[in-house]
Amino acid sequence: GESVGLHLPTLSVQEGDNSIINCAYSNSASDYFIWYKQESGKGPQFIIDIRSNMDKRQGQRVTVLLNKTVKHLSLQIAATQPGDSAVYFCAERPNDYKLSFGAGTTVTVRA
Amino acid sequence: SQTIHQWPATLVQPVGSPLSLECTVEGTSNPNLYWYRQAAGRGLQLLFYSVGIGQISSEVPQNLSASRPQDRQFILSSKKLLLSDSGFYLCAWRSWGIETQYFGPGTRLLVL
Repeated sequence: GESVGLHLPTLSVQEGDNSIINCAYSNSASDYFIWYKQESGKGPQFIIDIRSNMDKRQGQRVTVLLNKTVKHLSLQIAATQPGDSAVYFCAERPNDYKLSFGAGTTVTVRA
Repeated sequence: SQTIHQWPATLVQPVGSPLSLECTVEGTSNPNLYWYRQAAGRGLQLLFYSVGIGQISSEVPQNLSASRPQDRQFILSSKKLLLSDSGFYLCAWRSWGIETQYFGPGTRLLVL
């Protein structure tokens, strides 16, 4: 089953604004988390990851925050661009072999 | 660099027909390989994974099977397709020592 869920299925954001996508995970034993971006008709693309011994990690225009106390993960996208329109998935790793995915959040960027 | 291929990209098959989807990975050795299915507007459901040649773990009971005849080849099969087998099938790989899974371009299957 899907043990990772997202708070909101859709997010509409104005171009240039910052986006925040939230994710709740259920397995407190998960030690690794990933955010993927999936454009229509394509495979998911790796964005950024974070290990459970960290609470923040930054990439290019993206930041992932991890709150293990409440089992919450978020992805922040700075200065959202039209090319950021996609479905975003969070995934947790409950063991060494598998990832468990949420249902995804659809992000639509308004011009 | 590593690349992952899937074919065909799109497939339309009648109910009851067989299925064979192929996934190959280049540029790595002894990867973990994964098959996922994605229904329209939904997340990814893990179907099978393999940690080596001939080793297959099944995650959900279903009408599908998987095989790994070579180190970098992963095949998803069915003897008789059902309508419910329609979906977007994704192959992914992961190398030992690297935690991230990387996905292929996917195969869209429509069973009529």
